[in-house]
Amino acid sequence: RKEVEQDPGPFNVPEGATVAFNCTYSNSASQSFFWYRQDCRKEPKLLMSVYSSGNEDGRFTAQLNRASQYISLLIRDSKLSDSATYLCVVNLGGDTGGGNKLTFGTGTQLKVEL
Amino acid sequence: DGGITQSPKYLFRKEGQNVTLSCEQNLNHDAMYWYRQDPGQGLRLIYYSQIVNDFQKGDIAEGYSVSREKKESFPLTVTSAQKNPTAFYLCASSTRRDLPRDTQYFGPGTRLTVL
Repeated sequence: RKEVEQDPGPFNVPEGATVAFNCTYSNSASQSFFWYRQDCRKEPKLLMSVYSSGNEDGRFTAQLNRASQYISLLIRDSKLSDSATYLCVVNLGGDTGGGNKLTFGTGTQLKVEL
Repeated sequence: DGGITQSPKYLFRKEGQNVTLSCEQNLNHDAMYWYRQDPGQGLRLIYYSQIVNDFQKGDIAEGYSVSREKKESFPLTVTSAQKNPTAFYLCASSTRRDLPRDTQYFGPGTRLTVL
Protein backbone atom coordinates (compact mmCIF):
# COMPACT_ATOMS: atom_id res chain seq x y z
CA ARG A 1 0.00 0.00 0.00
CA LYS A 2 1.31 3.44 -0.90
CA GLU A 3 2.03 5.78 1.99
CA VAL A 4 -0.05 8.54 0.41
CA GLU A 5 -2.70 7.73 -2.18
CA GLN A 6 -4.58 10.02 -4.50
CA ASP A 7 -6.88 9.55 -7.47
CA PRO A 8 -4.75 10.70 -10.41
CA GLY A 9 -7.76 12.06 -12.34
CA PRO A 10 -7.99 14.02 -14.53
CA PHE A 11 -10.97 15.81 -13.12
CA ASN A 12 -12.50 17.85 -15.94
CA VAL A 13 -14.91 20.46 -14.59
CA PRO A 14 -16.61 23.54 -16.03
CA GLU A 15 -15.64 26.97 -14.80
CA GLY A 16 -17.61 27.86 -11.68
CA ALA A 17 -18.01 24.27 -10.51
CA THR A 18 -17.15 22.92 -7.09
CA VAL A 19 -14.67 20.05 -7.04
CA ALA A 20 -13.30 17.92 -4.22
CA PHE A 21 -10.20 15.77 -3.98
CA ASN A 22 -9.46 13.15 -1.36
CA CYS A 23 -6.22 11.67 -0.21
CA THR A 24 -5.54 8.79 2.17
CA TYR A 25 -2.38 8.14 4.18
CA SER A 26 -1.19 4.92 5.75
CA ASN A 27 0.84 6.00 8.77
CA SER A 28 -1.35 6.92 11.72
CA ALA A 29 1.63 8.65 13.37
CA SER A 30 1.67 11.35 10.66
CA GLN A 31 1.76 14.75 12.25
CA SER A 32 1.22 17.39 9.61
CA PHE A 33 -0.48 17.63 6.27
CA PHE A 34 -0.34 19.93 3.29
CA TRP A 35 -1.75 20.51 -0.16
CA TYR A 36 0.72 21.69 -2.80
CA ARG A 37 -0.13 22.83 -6.29
CA GLN A 38 2.09 21.96 -9.24
CA ASP A 39 1.71 23.47 -12.69
CA CYS A 40 2.95 21.57 -15.72
CA ARG A 41 6.76 21.31 -15.71
CA LYS A 42 7.07 23.64 -12.72
CA GLU A 43 7.97 23.21 -9.08
CA PRO A 44 5.35 22.43 -6.41
CA LYS A 45 4.08 25.42 -4.47
CA LEU A 46 2.36 25.32 -1.10
CA LEU A 47 -1.37 25.84 -1.42
CA MET A 48 -2.31 25.37 2.21
CA SER A 49 -1.58 23.46 5.38
CA VAL A 50 -4.32 21.19 6.72
CA TYR A 51 -5.36 21.48 10.34
CA SER A 52 -7.45 19.11 12.43
CA SER A 53 -10.19 21.69 12.80
CA GLY A 54 -10.33 22.27 9.07
CA ASN A 55 -9.26 25.49 7.44
CA GLU A 56 -10.33 27.75 4.64
CA ASP A 57 -8.45 30.12 2.38
CA GLY A 58 -10.76 31.96 0.02
CA ARG A 59 -12.26 29.43 -2.37
CA PHE A 60 -10.20 26.57 -0.93
CA THR A 61 -11.18 24.44 2.07
CA ALA A 62 -9.06 21.67 3.55
CA GLN A 63 -10.25 19.01 5.98
CA LEU A 64 -8.44 16.34 7.96
CA ASN A 65 -10.02 13.16 9.32
CA ARG A 66 -7.45 11.46 11.54
CA ALA A 67 -9.71 8.56 12.46
CA SER A 68 -10.14 7.56 8.83
CA GLN A 69 -6.70 8.83 7.78
CA TYR A 70 -7.81 11.00 4.92
CA ILE A 71 -7.43 14.59 3.85
CA SER A 72 -9.66 16.52 1.50
CA LEU A 73 -9.45 19.66 -0.59
CA LEU A 74 -12.55 21.48 -1.80
CA ILE A 75 -12.34 24.13 -4.48
CA ARG A 76 -15.40 26.32 -4.97
CA ASP A 77 -16.17 28.48 -8.00
CA SER A 78 -13.39 26.91 -10.07
CA LYS A 79 -11.34 29.21 -12.29
CA LEU A 80 -9.43 28.36 -15.43
CA SER A 81 -6.29 29.28 -13.51
CA ASP A 82 -6.98 26.48 -11.00
CA SER A 83 -5.99 23.94 -13.67
CA ALA A 84 -2.98 22.16 -12.20
CA THR A 85 -1.95 19.01 -10.36
CA TYR A 86 -2.72 18.99 -6.63
CA LEU A 87 -0.30 17.09 -4.44
CA CYS A 88 -1.26 15.67 -1.06
CA VAL A 89 1.72 15.78 1.30
CA VAL A 90 2.21 14.19 4.71
CA ASN A 91 4.92 14.69 7.33
CA LEU A 92 5.72 12.09 9.98
CA GLY A 93 7.47 14.66 12.08
CA GLY A 94 10.92 15.16 13.56
CA ASP A 95 10.78 12.64 16.39
CA THR A 96 11.08 9.76 13.93
CA GLY A 97 14.73 10.71 13.61
CA GLY A 98 14.20 11.52 9.98
CA GLY A 99 14.02 15.25 10.27
CA ASN A 100 11.34 17.13 8.43
CA LYS A 101 10.64 14.47 5.79
CA LEU A 102 7.68 14.90 3.52
CA THR A 103 5.90 12.06 1.72
CA PHE A 104 4.16 13.07 -1.50
CA GLY A 105 1.19 11.61 -3.26
CA THR A 106 1.36 11.26 -7.03
CA GLY A 107 -1.09 14.12 -7.48
CA THR A 108 -4.59 14.70 -8.81
CA GLN A 109 -4.89 16.53 -12.09
CA LEU A 110 -7.58 19.18 -12.41
CA LYS A 111 -8.67 20.70 -15.71
CA VAL A 112 -11.11 23.58 -15.55
CA GLU A 113 -12.85 24.24 -18.87
CA LEU A 114 -14.93 27.05 -20.31
CA ASP B 1 14.50 38.88 -3.80
CA GLY B 2 14.68 35.92 -1.46
CA GLY B 3 14.31 32.46 -2.84
CA ILE B 4 15.81 29.23 -4.05
CA THR B 5 17.69 29.03 -7.32
CA GLN B 6 18.66 25.93 -9.23
CA SER B 7 20.92 25.73 -12.21
CA PRO B 8 20.98 24.78 -14.94
CA LYS B 9 17.31 24.57 -15.90
CA TYR B 10 18.02 21.85 -18.49
CA LEU B 11 21.01 19.52 -18.50
CA PHE B 12 22.05 16.86 -20.94
CA ARG B 13 24.60 14.25 -20.01
CA LYS B 14 26.19 11.33 -21.74
CA GLU B 15 26.06 7.95 -20.09
CA GLY B 16 29.00 7.35 -17.79
CA GLN B 17 29.47 11.00 -16.87
CA ASN B 18 29.03 12.54 -13.45
CA VAL B 19 27.12 15.80 -13.29
CA THR B 20 26.52 18.32 -10.49
CA LEU B 21 23.27 20.21 -10.00
CA SER B 22 23.40 23.50 -8.16
CA CYS B 23 20.98 24.65 -5.44
CA GLU B 24 21.35 27.96 -3.63
CA GLN B 25 19.02 29.67 -1.15
CA ASN B 26 19.14 33.10 0.46
CA LEU B 27 16.25 32.48 2.84
CA ASN B 28 18.55 31.71 5.79
CA HIS B 29 16.97 28.25 6.02
CA ASP B 30 18.68 25.57 8.08
CA ALA B 31 17.35 22.54 6.23
CA MET B 32 17.70 21.66 2.55
CA TYR B 33 16.44 18.72 0.52
CA TRP B 34 16.81 17.06 -2.86
CA TYR B 35 13.95 15.24 -4.58
CA ARG B 36 13.47 13.65 -7.95
CA GLN B 37 10.19 13.46 -9.81
CA ASP B 38 9.38 10.95 -12.52
CA PRO B 39 6.22 10.93 -14.66
CA GLY B 40 3.30 9.38 -12.78
CA GLN B 41 5.22 9.20 -9.51
CA GLY B 42 5.32 11.34 -6.43
CA LEU B 43 8.41 13.24 -5.42
CA ARG B 44 11.00 10.97 -3.85
CA LEU B 45 13.61 12.14 -1.36
CA ILE B 46 17.24 11.65 -2.37
CA TYR B 47 19.20 13.42 0.38
CA TYR B 48 18.53 16.01 3.03
CA SER B 49 20.63 18.21 5.28
CA GLN B 50 19.44 19.67 8.54
CA ILE B 51 22.55 21.69 9.27
CA VAL B 52 25.85 22.68 7.69
CA ASN B 53 28.39 19.85 7.36
CA ASP B 54 25.75 17.19 7.98
CA PHE B 55 23.45 15.33 5.61
CA GLN B 56 21.38 12.15 5.57
CA LYS B 57 20.31 9.67 2.92
CA GLY B 58 16.74 9.77 1.81
CA ASP B 59 14.76 6.96 0.24
CA ILE B 60 16.66 6.72 -3.05
CA ALA B 61 20.24 7.87 -2.34
CA GLU B 62 22.05 5.23 -4.39
CA GLY B 63 24.03 6.77 -7.23
CA TYR B 64 23.90 10.28 -5.77
CA SER B 65 26.16 12.35 -3.51
CA VAL B 66 25.83 15.72 -1.81
CA SER B 67 27.79 18.20 0.27
CA ARG B 68 26.74 20.97 2.63
CA GLU B 69 29.76 23.18 3.22
CA LYS B 70 27.74 26.39 3.37
CA LYS B 71 24.28 27.09 4.74
CA GLU B 72 23.20 28.61 1.41
CA SER B 73 24.33 25.80 -0.85
CA PHE B 74 23.45 22.12 -1.25
CA PRO B 75 24.81 20.73 -4.56
CA LEU B 76 23.78 17.29 -5.80
CA THR B 77 26.07 15.10 -7.88
CA VAL B 78 24.48 12.47 -10.08
CA THR B 79 27.11 9.81 -10.57
CA SER B 80 27.51 7.24 -13.31
CA ALA B 81 26.33 4.64 -10.78
CA GLN B 82 22.77 6.02 -10.94
CA LYS B 83 20.97 3.55 -13.22
CA ASN B 84 18.16 5.77 -14.45
CA PRO B 85 19.12 9.41 -13.90
CA THR B 86 16.78 11.06 -16.41
CA ALA B 87 14.28 12.96 -14.23
CA PHE B 88 13.14 16.33 -12.91
CA TYR B 89 15.29 17.26 -9.87
CA LEU B 90 13.88 19.58 -7.25
CA CYS B 91 15.68 21.26 -4.39
CA ALA B 92 13.77 22.51 -1.35
CA SER B 93 14.52 24.28 1.91
CA SER B 94 12.77 24.93 5.20
CA THR B 95 13.42 27.17 8.19
CA ARG B 96 13.70 24.56 10.89
CA ARG B 97 14.84 21.00 10.80
CA ASP B 98 12.59 19.55 13.44
CA LEU B 99 9.17 21.13 13.23
CA PRO B 100 6.55 18.93 11.52
CA ARG B 101 4.52 21.95 10.47
CA ASP B 102 7.51 23.61 8.87
CA THR B 103 6.87 24.32 5.21
CA GLN B 104 9.27 23.32 2.47
CA TYR B 105 9.78 25.73 -0.39
CA PHE B 106 10.97 24.51 -3.75
CA GLY B 107 13.35 25.82 -6.36
CA PRO B 108 12.36 25.83 -10.06
CA GLY B 109 14.00 22.48 -10.73
CA THR B 110 16.55 21.03 -13.16
CA ARG B 111 15.54 18.64 -15.94
CA LEU B 112 18.31 16.12 -16.48
CA THR B 113 18.36 14.01 -19.61
CA VAL B 114 20.89 11.27 -20.16
CA LEU B 115 21.62 10.69 -23.83
